[in-house]
Amino acid sequence: GAVVSQHPSRVICKSGTSVKIECRSLDFQATTMFWYRQFPKQSLMLMATSNEGSKATYEQGVEKDKFLINHASLTLSTLTVTSAHPEDSSFYICSARGLAPEDYNEQFFGPGTRLTVL
Amino acid sequence: AQRVTQPEKLLSVFKGAPVELKCNYSYSGSPELFWYVQYSRQRLQLLLRHISRESIKGFTADLNKGETSFHLKKPFAQEEDSAMYYCALRGRKGGSEKLVFGKGTKLTVNP
Repeated sequence: GAVVSQHPSRVICKSGTSVKIECRSLDFQATTMFWYRQFPKQSLMLMATSNEGSKATYEQGVEKDKFLINHASLTLSTLTVTSAHPEDSSFYICSARGLAPEDYNEQFFGPGTRLTVL
Repeated sequence: AQRVTQPEKLLSVFKGAPVELKCNYSYSGSPELFWYVQYSRQRLQLLLRHISRESIKGFTADLNKGETSFHLKKPFAQEEDSAMYYCALRGRKGGSEKLVFGKGTKLTVNP
């Protein structure tokens, strides 16, 4: 199956700083990428959907100025958590959906990034 | 609105016993239903989808539109089946193709 990578896998930062998380589709082109947030022992909550070259669509309750998403190419999307606070500490997971017909309907998930804000 | 309900947070069975993980959904259009599995310290991966009608690792799931359910079943559980299982729905109504997840069920298969 297709592979999605995330970098970094783990990050610890001070309150007030910004953190960038990268999501890459390694062996396929992704028309659409999704960013999820997962709290401990809870489900994945969709934060936003991004299509290459256009603005991301944010879910209700997600601050777009706080969680900046850029989808500059068919293989890369970034999530920047701006002015991070301890309540932003979470597990962030990206997912990518393929461009090729055989990939289109399946979403492939990255391994996640553990963000801890001190 | 799309909604997925997995009523059991935890499910524990013995090896060789049948297992059923429940999933109910709410969606006014024609949904696509999926089961995803997350083994310990691994990423989320697709287990099966209703349109494929296939059996993966001995698991099957049938979409019951009348009961709006998509329960996951396996006749004889194995220890390696222990994992988190998430039911997910993707709708097509209004062009919305986002995947909505249930809260997940943690399955433990005891020896």
